[in-house]
Formats: sequence, structure tokens, C-alpha cells
Amino acid sequence: DAMVIQNPRYQVTQFGKPVTLSCSQTLNHNVMYWYQQKSSQAPKLLFHYYDKDFNNEADTPDNFQSRRPNTSFCFLDIRSPGLGDAAMYLCATSSPRSGEQFFGPGTRLTVL
Amino acid sequence: AQRVTQPEKLLSVFKGAPVELKCNYSYSGSPELFWYVQYSRQRLQLLLRHISRESIKGFTADLNKGETSFHLKKPFAQEEDSAMYYCALRSFQKLVFGTGTRLLVSP
Repeated sequence: DAMVIQNPRYQVTQFGKPVTLSCSQTLNHNVMYWYQQKSSQAPKLLFHYYDKDFNNEADTPDNFQSRRPNTSFCFLDIRSPGLGDAAMYLCATSSPRSGEQFFGPGTRLTVL
Repeated sequence: AQRVTQPEKLLSVFKGAPVELKCNYSYSGSPELFWYVQYSRQRLQLLLRHISRESIKGFTADLNKGETSFHLKKPFAQEEDSAMYYCALRSFQKLVFGTGTRLLVSP
């Protein structure tokens, strides 16, 4: 089935230790997104790629970076995770024409 | 500025009762609105979109431009409808989400 895959599903890291979350898609969508979702809150957009064009949200901390080496893959790098970065991280994709976003299952990040 | 408001954090009903989850938006232009649902331990998924004008799992939503609303309705709630519901507004390639309403359907 065409889908959005996120690995790992659970990630534990230490305070200040860099961590990378990955997302892949088989939908061949142009646009990929990274969201942060904290408990009982709406997803908060961190950034998105339209093809290779990177679009950062104004309030996304510099601690968060992203890479998209090709259409299928996108990575979220957290350079120095703090306790406040513990959250569910959601990847999503869309085609520009449709507007509908397809979400992955998320990676739950724990920071010790 | 684009904004989506869901005034209720929690809506608790009994099975078989009607349900209405409220959503209001502000947007300069022609809005494109969605309802997304997140069941327990499942991924966020599209429930319905206003341009489709379809009913999914018995849910409907009508865009009311005069009232800037896109309320989600179901005449008879089922226990399996218990989930988190997010109203979202498309702004270029992005979605602006509301804060969500948790629907709890009790037997």
C-alpha cells in the first residue's frame, strides 16, 4: 500500500544528544511536512518542503533542521534536544493539487 | 490572518445521540476546509473535505460562508466515533489546524 512511513516509532535520547528522525513515502508527493504534536494539542508545523524548496515556519527553533535528499525521504534533525522537545513528531505528504495531507504514524521522542 | 477555532475541548455524548462539533474560521479568500480525525493510537487521517460534499462514516459538514463555520455533524453517535477531531483550513500548501475537540461517546 502506498503510504507514509516513519522510523523509528519510538526514540529515546539524552538531553543535548543529537537525534535524527526519518520519514519515507511511496505516494510520490511533491510536498513533505514535519509537525510537532504535544499531548492533547494540535499538530504544530515546523517546516515543509515543496520539492527541494525548504520552507521554515517563523517560530521553529534553530535547534530543528531538516533534509530532503530525494522525493521519497525526509529527515528531521534535532541538534541539541531539550526536555521541552519531547513530543510526537509527525511527517505528512501532499500533492499540491489535492491539498489533502497524508500522515505517518509518528515518532514519539523521549528526552532523558 | 488565517485562524481556525474549535471552542469545545471535550464533547461527551451517549451512544445514539446527535453530535455537532463546532468549527469557525477566519480567512480572506475562498476557504478550503477539512476535518481530520485521530483515533486512539492511530495516525491522523482525513475524515472529509468540504469540496467533496460527501458523508463519511455518517458524518457531514457544510461550509457556511456567512457564518464562517464548518461544523461536523452526525445524527446518531456510535462508540467507535470516540476520537480527537481537528478542523483544518488550507492556506497555500499548509494546513492551519484548530486546537481539536475530543469526542467521547459513552454506551
